[in-house]
Amino acid sequence: DGGITQSPKYLFRKEGQNVTLSCEQNLNHDAMYWYRQDPGQGLRLIYYSQIVNDFQKGDIAEGYSVSREKKESFPLTVTSAQKNPTAFYLCASSSPRTGTYNEQFFGPGTRLTVL
Amino acid sequence: QKEVEQNSGPLSVPEGAIASLNCTYSDRGSQSFFWYRQYSGKSPELIMSIYSNGDKEDGRFTAQLNKASQYVSLLIRDSQPSDSATYLCAVRGYNKLIFGAGTRLAVHP
Repeated sequence: DGGITQSPKYLFRKEGQNVTLSCEQNLNHDAMYWYRQDPGQGLRLIYYSQIVNDFQKGDIAEGYSVSREKKESFPLTVTSAQKNPTAFYLCASSSPRTGTYNEQFFGPGTRLTVL
Repeated sequence: QKEVEQNSGPLSVPEGAIASLNCTYSDRGSQSFFWYRQYSGKSPELIMSIYSNGDKEDGRFTAQLNKASQYVSLLIRDSQPSDSATYLCAVRGYNKLIFGAGTRLAVHP
């Protein structure tokens, strides 16, 4: 099945720890995105990548880091510098090839809780 | 002014009625608009995209776009309890989508 997978589904972090959230897609999409969603709020863009080995900061990149070594994978690290990391993290991907470059498709999400 | 604004709701409609969800946006140059449905605890699911002024229909869903008024709406005909969810409006910005906070829809039997 084609799709986007995220792991783990739930993650608990102690203060001062770095944690890495996984995002993998087998849709052959070029672009991948990380969003954060807080209760009752819309999605806020953390980082995005349009090609391998290149990525750009979104609106709330501070305290986060990413890598894009493979087209299929776009992991997000939540560092100890992120002061309020408890949130629902969503990965998305899109492709220009079908003419619908704008349409983004989401993975199931990772719910991160800081203890 | 927020870039994409939606009424948070909840919008409560009876089963079988038409639900009307509205969204306004601030960037007059925006060209692409999307509606996502998000069930509680789940990730957003793309249900409609619209690029041209006017209406676009897909099953029970109709998206309406008025670029002059900077307004996009989603109509859900014959609403079902399974339509109860939060509906997110998204507008294409520079290399990204800008999301509204969402409208919570409750369809009661």
